[in-house]
This record gives sequence, structure tokens and C-alpha cells, in this order.
Amino acid sequence: DQQVKQNSPSLSVQEGRISILNCDYTNSMFDYFLWYKKYPAEGPTFLISISSIKDKNEDGRFTVFLNKSAKHLSLHIVPSQPGDSAVYFCAASAVDSNYQLIWGAGTKLIIKP
Amino acid sequence: GAVVSQHPSRVICKSGTSVKIECRSLDFQATTMFWYRQFPKKSLMLMATSNEGSKATYEQGVEKDKFLINHASLTLSTLTVTSAHPEDSSFYICSATGSSTDTQYFGPGTRLTVL
Repeated sequence: DQQVKQNSPSLSVQEGRISILNCDYTNSMFDYFLWYKKYPAEGPTFLISISSIKDKNEDGRFTVFLNKSAKHLSLHIVPSQPGDSAVYFCAASAVDSNYQLIWGAGTKLIIKP
Repeated sequence: GAVVSQHPSRVICKSGTSVKIECRSLDFQATTMFWYRQFPKKSLMLMATSNEGSKATYEQGVEKDKFLINHASLTLSTLTVTSAHPEDSSFYICSATGSSTDTQYFGPGTRLTVL
């Protein structure tokens, strides 16, 4: 059973608007969450992370929100740009798991001009 | 949902020895598997792509004789780090796609430490 779920396989957003990518998890032991961006034929690039002691982390156009009670995190991109078109993966880890990452299946973000 | 596992989750070995890492797709047939190495800034570098039953395609700069990849079945790919050196210490992650989808499912990773 997948412990990290990205329920939207794809998302289409107008350029300049906000993109919101969602991720849900089931394991309450997860204490660190990451978002990666992946272009075709390349490895995933780290975007932003958040520790479970926080509920928000911001880096430029990217903000990650964590709702521990709902076991939900989201990545906000604002404003969305054409170069943001990619597949976005969320991943989670627990302090006692040898730093292993449990990945979601990804959401393909398409930014429309 | 599709699950990809890796074994072992962590391995410590002596310099000069070889280490084998397994990547398995648990509930789907993985026609293509990818091997990545994680660098300190957390991004993953694609090392090679393997299709079941054929030789792996290595990315530029990756030594194929050092990182042996075998994808002998539709559910298993192995990465063998031969004559490991301390600079090979890293976090290795595999991913897999099936014939009916281009969704890529990632494994949890294997942490290799070479002493």
C-alpha cells in the first residue's frame, strides 16, 4: 500500500496563476518531506523541503505547507511560469528509516501560455 | 498502487569490495528501470536506464564497468558497484515504469557507505 499519495496525475494551470500540488501520507512517523521536480530524461531536482516541526516553508516562488493533523502537504508555485511544466514528486522520510525516501507517484504540471 | 522496493536499505563495505543493490517492482511488470545517485544537495543524478532483457544505457560520465546493471526480469534490476571506493558512498535510488504507463515509481533508496 502506498504510504505517500499524489492523487492528481496531472494538473493544468494558466501562466501567471498559482499552481497547487497536493500530497497525502499515511505514516505518522514521517518527519521530513521533500518536493522534487523532474524533466523528461533527467533525474529529479530537489526543490524544497519541510520538517514536521514546521507548517510552512518558503523559497522564492515555491511554498510548501504541511498539515500534520490531516497528513497532507501541498506545494504552491506562484506565479507559475512555462519552465515549471514538469512532473512533481513528493517524498517523505522518517528519522529511523536510514534516510530512505518514500515517494508519491508524481503529478504532471502543465503551464498553459 | 505500484510499489518499488530496494534491498538492502543500507550497506557498509570495505574499499575494494563489490556491492549489489536490488530493485524490485512488487505489483507490476517494470519494462524500464532507472538508477539514480543522490548528491549532497538532494538532487538525483540519472546514472543509467535499463530495459528488460537488454543492456543498460549509461549517462555520460558513468563508468559502465564500475556500475554493472542487470535487468534480467520484468520485476528485478540489480546495480553492482564493483571495487567500491569511499567516493562511491552515496544514496542510490531506482525507479521503474511499466508498459502501460509512463508513470515512474521510485524505490526508497539504498545508502552505501564505503570505508
